[in-house]
Formats: sequence, C-alpha cells, structure tokens
Amino acid sequence: GAVVSQHPSWVICKSGTSVKIECRSLDFQATTMFWYRQFPKQSLMLMATSNEGSKATYEQGVEKDKFLINHASLTLSTLTVTSAHPEDSSFYICSANRATEAFFGQGTRLTVV
Amino acid sequence: AQTVTQSQPEMSVQEAETVTLSCTYDTSESDYYLFWYKQPPSRQMILVIRQEAYKQQNATENRFSVNFQKAAKSFSLKISDSQLGDAAMYFCAYRRGDKIIFGKGTRLHILP
Repeated sequence: GAVVSQHPSWVICKSGTSVKIECRSLDFQATTMFWYRQFPKQSLMLMATSNEGSKATYEQGVEKDKFLINHASLTLSTLTVTSAHPEDSSFYICSANRATEAFFGQGTRLTVV
Repeated sequence: AQTVTQSQPEMSVQEAETVTLSCTYDTSESDYYLFWYKQPPSRQMILVIRQEAYKQQNATENRFSVNFQKAAKSFSLKISDSQLGDAAMYFCAYRRGDKIIFGKGTRLHILP
C-alpha cells in the first residue's frame, strides 16, 4: 500500500524556538496533504489543508502565523511551529489521499520545554 | 456541517467474543465515504474498513464488519472473535471530497 512518512517521530525544543515537521508521500504524488493535531486521549483535529504550489487552507481557530505550512513539491509538505510554547506540545499527524483512501504518517510528538 | 459522534468512550470485551462499536454522523450529502480507523499504542492510524454511501451492502473485512444504516445515519463496527491485538482506539470517520472528519473515538479493551 501507499506510504506516507513523517519526520521526526519526536522532537523536544525550547520555548521560543521553531520546529519543522516533514511529511512525505513515498510512492505516490499528493497535490493535497492534511495536518492534524491530536491531544492525549482525544481525536484528530484537522488543522489545515496543504496545497501543492499554493497557500494552505487553515481550519477555523488555527493560527496560520503560528503553524506555517509549505507544500513545495508533489511529495513533500512541511509544518513549521513558530515560536513554540509549551501549549503547542502535542502529537501532530499528516495524511495524504490516494484515490478514496487516506494514508497517514507515523506522527510527530512535539514537546516544548 | 458534518459531524461524527461516537457515544462510547470506552468498551471492554472478552477475548474471542464479539463487540459492536457505535457511530452516528450528520450530513446533508448523499455521496460520501465512511471509515473505521484503528489507532494502537504506536499511534499509527490503520484503516480497518471502508463503506461507500452509495453501496447498500455492508462492508466486511475478515473479522470486521459494519452495519450501515444510511437513513438513520448510523455506521457501527462489529468485531468478531476479538483478539488481544484488537485493543486500540477506534475512530469512526466521514469523508466527502478530500477532508476527513473524525469522531472522538472509542477505546477498546480486550479482556484475556
């Protein structure tokens, strides 16, 4: 099956710094990718839709200046958490669709200290 | 707006027994997809089963089957012959177009 790879799996950063998370579709091209945030014991909340070659579309309540998304190629989308704070600590998951099925990355656990 | 509701935060089932997880959804659309995803402790999302709304026949995948009631907007998952490896969070999800909306999830415990 199709594979979506997310990197890093976990990252610890200091408050005020920025951290970048990569999402790659390894064996198919994805013009659209999705970024989710998952708090402990909660569901996946869609943050934004990443569109290749154009601006991302953010869900209501998501700060686009805080969560910068770049989709520069058909196989790579990046999420940069800027000026991270402890409340940004969470599990971030990306996905990409191929036909009718969504494929998910392994997720990234971000801890801001 | 589309919503997905899972009313059972947690469920337990004896190994080898059958369990049904409930899901209801709200939509005004007629063409959409429904899914059940499994999230084990590794947190990797795994597709369990998929149902196209235009298909009346309930989807089945080995020990997993669904009861899809379109008029009632209900989409339950039945797991037969439960195994220890089935222990996980299960998310019901709705998709129309590209976006997927997830329910809050049901944590399934398998009792040995």
